[in-house]
Amino acid sequence: AQKVTQAQTEISVVEKEDVTLDCVYETRDTTYYLFWYKQPPSGELVFLIRRNSFDEQNEISGRYSWNFQKSTSSFNFTITASQVVDSAVYFCALSRGQGGSEKLVFGKGTKLTVNP
Amino acid sequence: DGGITQSPKYLFRKEGQNVTLSCEQNLNHDAMYWYRQDPGQGLRLIYYSQIVNDFQKGDIAEGYSVSREKKESFPLTVTSAQKNPTAFYLCASSIFGTGYNQPQHFGDGTRLSIL
Repeated sequence: AQKVTQAQTEISVVEKEDVTLDCVYETRDTTYYLFWYKQPPSGELVFLIRRNSFDEQNEISGRYSWNFQKSTSSFNFTITASQVVDSAVYFCALSRGQGGSEKLVFGKGTKLTVNP
Repeated sequence: DGGITQSPKYLFRKEGQNVTLSCEQNLNHDAMYWYRQDPGQGLRLIYYSQIVNDFQKGDIAEGYSVSREKKESFPLTVTSAQKNPTAFYLCASSIFGTGYNQPQHFGDGTRLSIL
């Protein structure tokens, strides 16, 4: 069975601090995909990144960076120099990479509050 | 603009009533999904459809029904059998079948409450 654990329920930081959101996953598949989504107060989920299990390179996109480590089954997300607009709930998700099944299994989310 | 439209934004259900949530997409995506979100919880999959006239149960399908008569539409009916329907419902769509698990795109959601 697949499972995603986001142990941090809520995080509160002051603007310009760096913050890391943790994501640990469980799967027996050798091919799988990991995702991060952002859910602002308005409610819709915004796609941030997709990573497949064969690509362990870290990725940076502006103030966002992701650290994928298969050895620890983790896919952590770091926001550098956080801003108030980063306040949202962030979800990590996992899907199988074969058999045509592209269903997502979500973690419970981490609520990030960035205070001015 | 291309995207996913969910309606209504807010919906109230009386006891014993069936209600239908609308989801329309103009992204030409093959696959569509319905999720339920409860406070402090992640999203749980209710139903999904990878092709017109076909759909599959997700993890919490009991008390819900769907149809997929058109590629762009995937309505969800919350039946009276669903005893705890109060939740935030999100519809999503994605390109399907490329072998690369394309990201899902989400609508703005419908908040359903019991009167």
